[in-house]
Amino acid sequence: NAGVMQNPRHLVRRRGQEARLRCSPMKGHSHVYWYRQLPEEGLKFMVYLQKENIIDESGMPKERFSAEFPKEGPSILRIQQVVRGDSAAYFCASSPTSGGGEQFFGPGTRLTVL
Amino acid sequence: KNEVEQSPQNLTAQEGEFITINCSYSVGISALHWLQQHPGGGIVSLFMLSSGKKKHGRLIATINIQEKHSSLHITASHPRDSAVYICAARLNYGGSQGNLIFGKGTKLSVKP
Repeated sequence: NAGVMQNPRHLVRRRGQEARLRCSPMKGHSHVYWYRQLPEEGLKFMVYLQKENIIDESGMPKERFSAEFPKEGPSILRIQQVVRGDSAAYFCASSPTSGGGEQFFGPGTRLTVL
Repeated sequence: KNEVEQSPQNLTAQEGEFITINCSYSVGISALHWLQQHPGGGIVSLFMLSSGKKKHGRLIATINIQEKHSSLHITASHPRDSAVYICAARLNYGGSQGNLIFGKGTKLSVKP
């Protein structure tokens, strides 16, 4: 049973480009969480999704960031017009049940904005 | 003030020592997680607990709901335990009961 998969593992973008980060949850998991870890800082919640629904996006910056979790395929975190401050590690986690389930983390995507 | 506080921030131990990492939180929670992050960054979930105590190998996690405090203990520490240990609280209010609030982590270094 494969764990949570994220790709790419490393992503380099120039300022102004778009970044697309993918997260495939564990088999049987329908809840996905995205977290961001800025350099030298702790993890911060960004968004919580179920299939085809955004449940909580209170941690997402209001502009340039969006997330989706379609019926088929991975969850996507999209950052438009990236800036240097977006450079961070982005982790996703999945759980089989809402709220009460243990979360399993992916290996993360390290985004570097030049 | 961060809603989840960990101490110490950094900890150096000799191989074989008993290690304790503390976590205090100021919000109502439904569960508390202990996570391990190795250099290179992958995150592993060690424990999720909402009461009492859990044990897995040389790791023990306890939580006191009344005092809003949790501890992670490592017995007979080993250099391979060197990592950042992160405490994360799952809130029990609001529309979303899934997202976590994280402590800043405790960086543990175990010397041979």
